[in-house]
Amino acid sequence: ETGVTQTPRHLVMGMTNKKSLKCEQHLGHNAMYWYKQSAKKPLELMFVYSLEERVENNSVPSRFSPECPNSSHLFLHLHTLQPEDSALYLCASSQDSPGLYSYEQYFGPGTRLTVT
Amino acid sequence: EDQVTQSPEALRLQEGESSSLNCSYTVSGLRGLFWYRQDPGKGPEFLFTLYSAGEEKEKERLKATLTKKESFLHITAPKPEDSATYLCAVQRGGADGLTFGKGTHLIIQP
Repeated sequence: ETGVTQTPRHLVMGMTNKKSLKCEQHLGHNAMYWYKQSAKKPLELMFVYSLEERVENNSVPSRFSPECPNSSHLFLHLHTLQPEDSALYLCASSQDSPGLYSYEQYFGPGTRLTVT
Repeated sequence: EDQVTQSPEALRLQEGESSSLNCSYTVSGLRGLFWYRQDPGKGPEFLFTLYSAGEEKEKERLKATLTKKESFLHITAPKPEDSATYLCAVQRGGADGLTFGKGTHLIIQP
């Protein structure tokens, strides 16, 4: 496996279900991100982890719960979602830099989530 | 609050017809401006990073430029395989998340 992988690629869940999205990066990076992409809207940042610690939470509802057990893996746990949560969920990774410049983020293929 | 506005929303060109996509931004302390390409059903694919006004980068038929308020993605003699949505994003640095524009949906007709 190379780059950033995400599983599953497609997920249909009911509003009362609990499911998890998985992301794995094979790039040796130390920062990982979750983004949400809805139709007609820009990609929205949800969570940022750097060195396995959450550093940013963009006011995301508590029905979304991230977990980063190590620098290569990132999970998004889902429970009691709403139909408006249907979207493409994208994971990304990058090298964290405390210096002046930023490193590019590399994205996975995404998980297409449908909440019924 | 960081803001990124891309124009036009959609652009249809004939093969070989050059054009430019615009990305206007407002950000406190820009650390990097990024261009991505996204094909339907896929994640964004990294194209360029620009760090300071006056900087330019090129890759095949694409050239990205940066001023203090906007960035342009110039497409020279495009081919049908250049059809995609092009996304612009800004970052304030470190492991900050990216703030994206809505993208420009580009169609190149043979």
